[in-house]
Amino acid sequence: RKEVEQDPGPFNVPEGATVAFNCTYSNSASQSFFWYRQDCRKEPKLLMSVYSSGNEDGRFTAQLNRASQYISLLIRDSKLSDSATYLCVVIKGTYKYIFGTGTRLKVLA
Amino acid sequence: DVKVTQSSRYLVKRTGEKVFLECVQDMDHENMFWYRQDPGLGLRLIYFSYDVKMKEKGDIPEGYSVSREKKERFSLILESASTNQTSMYLCASSPGTEQFFGPGTRLTVL
Repeated sequence: RKEVEQDPGPFNVPEGATVAFNCTYSNSASQSFFWYRQDCRKEPKLLMSVYSSGNEDGRFTAQLNRASQYISLLIRDSKLSDSATYLCVVIKGTYKYIFGTGTRLKVLA
Repeated sequence: DVKVTQSSRYLVKRTGEKVFLECVQDMDHENMFWYRQDPGLGLRLIYFSYDVKMKEKGDIPEGYSVSREKKERFSLILESASTNQTSMYLCASSPGTEQFFGPGTRLTVL
């Protein structure tokens, strides 16, 4: 079983829709959690950190469920520019970053 | 803005060649990383370094070595390139938790 698992998608949604992705992790000792965004043929960039209390940044909301060992990303009012691959990242210890394989989102006009 | 640069965007090499991939960051970050990214496998850590001259193996170090002689520069070396090392190579630097990635080098080994 992979340490971090994501549904690869693609999720095809119309503009203005709300879409949510989940990411499950297997190691309960995992300490920090992030969502990164990767555009086609580009490098990953940090989208947001994920806190136990949940956090929101504009149209994006990230949540952590430690009991069930998953994190989620909710995107409201999807824009065409949100089309990208969203990578879940889990950190164990100081340097061990574990990336999911990504969930591909396509927002359709 | 943090800037991480990589020496080449595209590289084509032949089997058996020695290959050097260079990465430079301008933000005085302690930590630097080399990953490869392959379809369906995601990013996999090859090596990382948390200080000058310090290095640690990641998940897939076989066939690779690294060098960090200066804080800003982290080099990945393929001692004898093989076709299964054809991949996208991404360098990252980090002051703590957030990682900043370079644009990547797409390496093809023929």
